[in-house]
Amino acid sequence: EVKLLESGGGLVQPGGSLRLSCEASGFPLSSFAMSWVRQAPGKGLEWLSGTSVGGGRTYYADSVKGRFTTSRDNSKNTVFLQVNSLRADDTAIYYCAKERSSAWYGRIDYLGQGTLVIVSS
Amino acid sequence: QSALAQPASVSGSPGQSITISCTGTSNDVGAYDFVSWYQQHPGKAPKVMIYDVTNRPSGVSNRFSGSKSGNTASLTISGLQPEDEADYYCTSYTRSTSHLLFGGGTKLTVL
Repeated sequence: EVKLLESGGGLVQPGGSLRLSCEASGFPLSSFAMSWVRQAPGKGLEWLSGTSVGGGRTYYADSVKGRFTTSRDNSKNTVFLQVNSLRADDTAIYYCAKERSSAWYGRIDYLGQGTLVIVSS
Repeated sequence: QSALAQPASVSGSPGQSITISCTGTSNDVGAYDFVSWYQQHPGKAPKVMIYDVTNRPSGVSNRFSGSKSGNTASLTISGLQPEDEADYYCTSYTRSTSHLLFGGGTKLTVL
């Protein structure tokens, strides 16, 4: 059974940073592209990033490019989202998502339960 | 890029069928068959209901079906049931930037 478990969210001041983690199980992380999606309170879903495997590129939404960075540790079956220079409008539930293949085409098949990030002073 | 265009809300009675549209451009919806539909109940994580325009993941009811014509994709739910009441989002891969676009979401009310 595929499971994605996000963690690392919390309350952070504007300008601060967090490192979100997503522990994957039930599939070989090294074989699948992964992505991050978020949802601000009462708002719709917003795609943040997508990464292919095998040294492929990572693509970022314009709203987070330069501030957010994704990485993965296949040996620990974990993907990460480093979020820097946080602003109030980054307040959201952050979901990690698994792609159907090794290449990034936005063909997500599973999302985790999410971790809440609140940016406030 | 602008989000894909979806109606803000649709409604139907139990047993009826409804269709939710998702309009993009020739750079996204019209470019590839990489359109997906997500269902999200309040307070829950999104769940993929349709992928690659027409395919249902294992476990998803065959009351859910997808289609595409040109730059517009559609999700049809037949035999509406109370548990279908949720928000529905479409997505499409974007050819020019390799980004994933989301629709603004459609709130389905089962009357």
